[in-house]
This record gives sequence, structure tokens and C-alpha cells, in this order.
Amino acid sequence: AQSVAQPEDQVNVAEGNPLTVKCTYSVSGNPYLFWYVQYPNRGLQFLLKYITGDNLVKGSYGFEAEFNKSQTSFHLKKPSALVSDSALYFCAVRDGWSSASKIIFGSGTRLSIRP
Amino acid sequence: EPEVTQTPSHQVTQMGQEVILRCVPISNHLYFYWYRQILGQKVEFLVSFYNNEISEKSEIFDDQFSVERPDGSNFTLKIRSTKLEDSAMYFCASSGGAAEAFFGQGTRLTVV
Repeated sequence: AQSVAQPEDQVNVAEGNPLTVKCTYSVSGNPYLFWYVQYPNRGLQFLLKYITGDNLVKGSYGFEAEFNKSQTSFHLKKPSALVSDSALYFCAVRDGWSSASKIIFGSGTRLSIRP
Repeated sequence: EPEVTQTPSHQVTQMGQEVILRCVPISNHLYFYWYRQILGQKVEFLVSFYNNEISEKSEIFDDQFSVERPDGSNFTLKIRSTKLEDSAMYFCASSGGAAEAFFGQGTRLTVV
């Protein structure tokens, strides 16, 4: 089965600094990878995805993620953090190539941006 | 922008009672899912649904759980006899065939 791992429970960054939230994956074949964000008491909001093509994918709110096949990583990045980016971030992978396949989530990383 | 809507936002129920959580997926989507999240922790898959039948279910989705698409718009999750450990945030999601799924705002279920 496919899986993703988020090695950091918490990431703290000062506003204006670049941020990285790490994710590694374990899949057979080519992965469908995602990042979702969850604000307090809210649902999961889709940020971006990698299916194929360019290794650098751009998403909502200025976020981007870099797919690295050799390192089996899909780290989320943003050049300049905002306080409003503080939230819980989930890396995820689709467990198969059908849209009926479930999406498997990592354990989540809490991102805290200090003013 | 189309969105997945869930009702109610919060449900409190007595242990042993039946609850039905309701979802209206995005209108042209064909693939539907239920997930749950306990205390803001890991998001756990419960069940996927396509073409009016369950595609896949997890170990959590035992005989106490059922799903239904009673009409062309609603997608429901029923828990027949709730237990304390069923207390969680339940998320409905839908997908239109693209890779990603879109999630609703969730129903917070509290079993007392």
C-alpha cells in the first residue's frame, strides 16, 4: 500500500522567512501526491497536487511543492511566510490510479508563523 | 465556487443511538468518501463509494456503519448504535475523476 510520512509534528517560522514542510512517500509506481491545509475547526482544503510533469508544482496562496523521485520526497514550500499560514498541513497520496481509490493522509504538521 | 456541504455542523447523541450524517457532494462528481478525524489528529479513511456501491472500506467501517446515496444529490453516513469512541469529526469528500478530492467542513459528532 502507498503511504506518506511527515517527520515533523511542528514547524515554527518567523513571518517573512521561507518555510518548508517535509513529506516523504512510499509508493509502487508513479504517485499521485497532494497537500491539504486545515485551519482550526475547518475542513481540509486542497492546496496542490503532483501527478506527472514538472517537478515543481504551484498551488494556492503562494505555496509550491517539489517532487523529488530520487529522495522520494514532496516537500511543501513558500518563499515568504505569513502569520495567516499558521495551520495544520497534511501530505497525502492516492492509493492507486483510480478516482475511487482512497486518499491516504500523513500524520500532519502544525505550522506556526510568529510575527 | 462549488463546494461539498455537510449537515449538521455539530451533532450530540446518546450512546447507543443512531445518527445520520448528511453530505451534498459537488454536483458533477461521481466518487464519494467519508473520513474521520479524532481530536484534530490523523485523518482516517472510512469508505469510498462509486456507481451506487461501496468501492472500498476500512477496518473502522464495521457493521455499525452504512452509507447511502438516496437521491441524486445527498450522500449519507449512518452509525446504527453509537459508541463513545465514535466521537470525532467526520468529513465527506467528493472527486470528479481528477486526482484530488474536495472535502466538506465536517460534522463534529459527540457521543455522550
